[in-house]
Amino acid sequence: DAKTTQPPSMDCAEGRAANLPCNHSTISGNEYVYWYRQIHSQGPQYIIHGLKNNETNEMASLIITEDRKSSTLILPHATLRDTAVYYCIVRVREEYGNKLVFGAGTILRVKS
Amino acid sequence: NAGVTQTPKFQVLKTGQSMTLQCAQDMNHNSMYWYRQDPGMGLRLIYYSASEGTTDKGEVPNGYNVSRLNKREFSLRLESAAPSQTSVYFCASMGYGRSYEQYFGPGTRLTVT
Repeated sequence: DAKTTQPPSMDCAEGRAANLPCNHSTISGNEYVYWYRQIHSQGPQYIIHGLKNNETNEMASLIITEDRKSSTLILPHATLRDTAVYYCIVRVREEYGNKLVFGAGTILRVKS
Repeated sequence: NAGVTQTPKFQVLKTGQSMTLQCAQDMNHNSMYWYRQDPGMGLRLIYYSASEGTTDKGEVPNGYNVSRLNKREFSLRLESAAPSQTSVYFCASMGYGRSYEQYFGPGTRLTVT
């Protein structure tokens, strides 16, 4: 089962910041939080990941609460092309590899 | 680099037919994965291979078999297709390193009638 909870959908005005929340209350100390997005029916695309510190890259920022039970993905200036399904995922580390367990995600609709 | 490639892009099968979905990556990644995505749903892991020579079941392995042919290639076989296997199938690969980012292929759209 997915270890994360996300709202099913959100709307955002073009040019504004999109803030996508995620709860992962059962996360373990060495598990990372990953964010991916899927545009139309393409393969998912990596956005960002983090362990406990806030992270920023050219696409987005990731804010993780101090207790690590939740996080927020921030798209600073959303465009119409950011309309997609956004997945918050906890990376499951197993003896022989790493798995990503996808939930249903959040449908983000960016509107002009 | 082509990244992760999948063949075929589309396929229609009749119930009971068999087929193999092919996946290859040119990033020298150790781990490879097969997912399925049903309409309106998230991805579900079918099988994965942490390294060449190993395979493990994911969430929904029933009705599928896999082969890690070499480090580059990871195939998914449906021995006797069923309508419930109508889905989009994605292959992914992951290397070792700081990011553990998974790279996904474009998908294979399979319809079983």
